[in-house]
Amino acid sequence: ETGVTQSPTHLIKTRGQQVTLRCSSQSGHNTVSWYQQALGQGPQFIFQYYREEENGRGNFPPRFSGLQFPNYSSELNVNALELDDSALYLCASSGAGTGYTYEQYFGPGTRLTVT
Amino acid sequence: GDSVTQMEGPVTLSEEAFLTINCTYTATGYPSLFWYVQYPGEGLQLLLKATKADDKGSNKGFEATYRKETTSFHLEKGSVQVSDSAVYFCALSGFEGGSEKLVFGKGTKLTVNP
Repeated sequence: ETGVTQSPTHLIKTRGQQVTLRCSSQSGHNTVSWYQQALGQGPQFIFQYYREEENGRGNFPPRFSGLQFPNYSSELNVNALELDDSALYLCASSGAGTGYTYEQYFGPGTRLTVT
Repeated sequence: GDSVTQMEGPVTLSEEAFLTINCTYTATGYPSLFWYVQYPGEGLQLLLKATKADDKGSNKGFEATYRKETTSFHLEKGSVQVSDSAVYFCALSGFEGGSEKLVFGKGTKLTVNP
């Protein structure tokens, strides 16, 4: 069974640029959630995708957007990068959509640095 | 909204010492509760969970009991090892905008010395 994978591992971008982060969900999982973890903080929920549709969003601006593909992999896109976007971005996959408490399995994360 | 408050760190212990990391929560409804662990340079790993009041989650010698009356889910281990050095996060499951998401505490860094 393949776990959650994310790419790239590290990324350095300049303020104002755009970035795309990628996530492959664990085999059999159809729901992907994205979290932002600032240094020294707990992860904060960005949004969740279920069956290729956004299925809930945290307190993040519209310049954070995403996609989910038919194979349940997902992308996180961030436009107009700001210095405060520097963080570890975590992807988590789980087995079902709304109404169920399934365990979320996390990938290793992508470390984004904005200069 | 839902929130999790956990013990501020860092926590430094000697090997074989007893560990307690306190966690309390505020939530509407009846969330599931989790402890995740993050080793240096890695993502989060689920350590244990409890889905209803009085449930005890356990794994690798760690335990936590879901206490609805005190809204707590404290993490304990009777004898820590150097390999337990990591950051520990308490979390609850909550609903926001139609999706089920995890709400995390700020994390507690544990260092175990030989």
